[in-house]
Amino acid sequence: AQKITQTQPGMFVQEKEAVTLDCTYDTSDPSYGLFWYKQPSSGEMIFLIYQGSYDQQNATEGRYSLNFQKARKSANLVISASQLGDSAMYFCAMRESMYSGGGADGLTFGKGTHLIIQP
Amino acid sequence: NAGVTQTPKFRILKIGQSMTLQCTQDMNHNYMYWYRQDPGMGLKLIYYSVGAGITDKGEVPNGYNVSRSTTEDFPLRLELAAPSQTSVYFCASSLGDRVFDEQFFGPGTRLTVL
Repeated sequence: AQKITQTQPGMFVQEKEAVTLDCTYDTSDPSYGLFWYKQPSSGEMIFLIYQGSYDQQNATEGRYSLNFQKARKSANLVISASQLGDSAMYFCAMRESMYSGGGADGLTFGKGTHLIIQP
Repeated sequence: NAGVTQTPKFRILKIGQSMTLQCTQDMNHNYMYWYRQDPGMGLKLIYYSVGAGITDKGEVPNGYNVSRSTTEDFPLRLELAAPSQTSVYFCASSLGDRVFDEQFFGPGTRLTVL
């Protein structure tokens, strides 16, 4: 079973609208972290936002916020007031605790969502 | 601080050739990682290292080797390149192995095997 599922391969959104990118995850580890990365056409991986499994509040970073629903195992990224420069691939990733018997260290990534912002 | 640097940026290999992808970080991070990204996909972990002299396999290690003789450097070796190894390779590092430890990525190496 996939550990990270991003169900939207592509999205077209009008500039200045809010965008929600979906991410569901699968883990039995009580301690884990969820990350969102942006990958523009130039190819680099840009860290956007982090949410820990024990965090009481949803994470926010500027125009980015995370809608974390632990019981549903979802961690959707919300981008407010989208801009043309937001056009990129967006990846959801998870890091599980090494000490709970999980496998190799490192991040597990979803397949990504290609977001295109239209003027 | 240069962060994580990778060389080369691009490379074309013939089937059966070998090469080493270089990765260096100047943040004094103990943890380093190699990922590959196939077209239209997310990144997959190849190998990782928790410190100098210690390496371990990730999800897709076949066809690759790594070594870690210093904290700064974590080269990835491809022996007998195959078309299936055509991919973009990312090196990353993190301060620790805690779930909140951010991984910092290099700019990537785009490899084509023909």
